Amino acid sequence: QQQVKQSPQSLIVQKGGISIINCAYENTAFDYFPWYQQFPGKGPALLIAIRPDVSEKKEGRFTISFNKSAKQFSLHIMDSQPGDSATYFCAASGETSGSRLTFGEGTQLTVNP
Amino acid sequence: EPEVTQTPSHQVTQMGQEVILRCVPISNHLYFYWYRQILGQKVEFLVSFYNNEISEKSEIFDDQFSVERPDGSNFTLKIRSTKLEDSAMYFCASSPGGYTDTQYFGPGTRLTVL
Repeated sequence: QQQVKQSPQSLIVQKGGISIINCAYENTAFDYFPWYQQFPGKGPALLIAIRPDVSEKKEGRFTISFNKSAKQFSLHIMDSQPGDSATYFCAASGETSGSRLTFGEGTQLTVNP
Repeated sequence: EPEVTQTPSHQVTQMGQEVILRCVPISNHLYFYWYRQILGQKVEFLVSFYNNEISEKSEIFDDQFSVERPDGSNFTLKIRSTKLEDSAMYFCASSPGGYTDTQYFGPGTRLTVL
């Protein structure tokens, strides 16, 4: 029940295209959903996060869409750039699960020039 | 910009040996974490530390593991008797507050157990 499922495992997009990564969770006690970006040799870095009181959050080219009833959330990267090529992890946490982050399996995004 | 630092970047050890992984969290942060990432797999929570004690640990964090904040700046993870399956990237993270505050990750220590 603590799992977060992420898809796809890898994604190849052309420059200027839209990248979409999906996640689903089971634990209804989760109420904080961050997305992390990880470049090779670096630790994960927070990209954007959402709470379930809103269905969408946008920061620049990055948007999280959240569907509470379906227990799903997704990351959309508009106008994808080669510099966006990285591994993306969704994660979840909740007050009752302490401050631990439960991560998805990760998506390797490649944006071709 | 303040950042979490970790040393060493790569540690090679023999099975059964003790290792200590070191982290310097961001100075005004109150919550500290260790995560690990086995090659090609997801990032997994190990332990969280707040107010000089473990606040939560996962099932991975058994008696072979311990954490310590020996002074006001360092945060360490000790593995008493390493196993082959402990080979992974270990990330330290810190956050200023509770679960909705951003966790800032260090660059990681790659542990290789031979």
